[in-house]
Amino acid sequence: QSVLTQPPSVSAAPGQKVTISCSGSSSNIGNNYVSWYQQLPGAAPKLLIYDSNKRPSGIPDRFSGSKSGTSATLGITGLQTGDEADYYCATWDSSLSAGVFGGGTKLTVL
Amino acid sequence: QVQLVESGGDLVKPGGSLRLSCAASGFTFSDFYMSWIRQAPGKGLEWVSYIASGSTSKDYADSVKGRFTISRDSAKNSLYLQMNSLTADDTAIYYCARGRLSEGGFDSWGQGTLVTVSS
Repeated sequence: QSVLTQPPSVSAAPGQKVTISCSGSSSNIGNNYVSWYQQLPGAAPKLLIYDSNKRPSGIPDRFSGSKSGTSATLGITGLQTGDEADYYCATWDSSLSAGVFGGGTKLTVL
Repeated sequence: QVQLVESGGDLVKPGGSLRLSCAASGFTFSDFYMSWIRQAPGKGLEWVSYIASGSTSKDYADSVKGRFTISRDSAKNSLYLQMNSLTADDTAIYYCARGRLSEGGFDSWGQGTLVTVSS
């Protein structure tokens, strides 16, 4: 059971938009930055969003992040088949004094 | 370019020990926090440990506390994870990553090294 809750799967058609939610608590998302990672099949994870809403250089603006209260959201617009991957949210939990990841969300582009 | 290369993964018996290494290049290693994250077969990501840039602070997941020790050697641009009293639950791909979750996230990852704990 992950400290951060993500939907196990989401799906949408190419060109459409999808959002992935990440729910936590005041000890983690509520008071810390959130980062998002994309893991393509057989590959290492890749940073998509850091500090809740910032994109590293090289990440297209189709990817966006937001945070409100104890929840965070990853948005992906203009879906491409190459976006099919597992997506993870993560943050620091101040009460646990530990890093925490969501359980991951599998994105299917139909 | 930033490169992180893990090594040391192996098949080890329950109760055994293993030391993982992560060779860093392409950046000033001593300036950055470093972390270990693992992924059991078919499962999600699990944060394992972090170490501050000057080794001034470290922390561990409860699941490995007291058994694993993180360290770094700036002269060798290397990160280490000493793993003792291994159990089947420690079977996973172990990734080293640059950065910390409290700020900036993990902006570079290695390709991972597989640790299998089995008799």
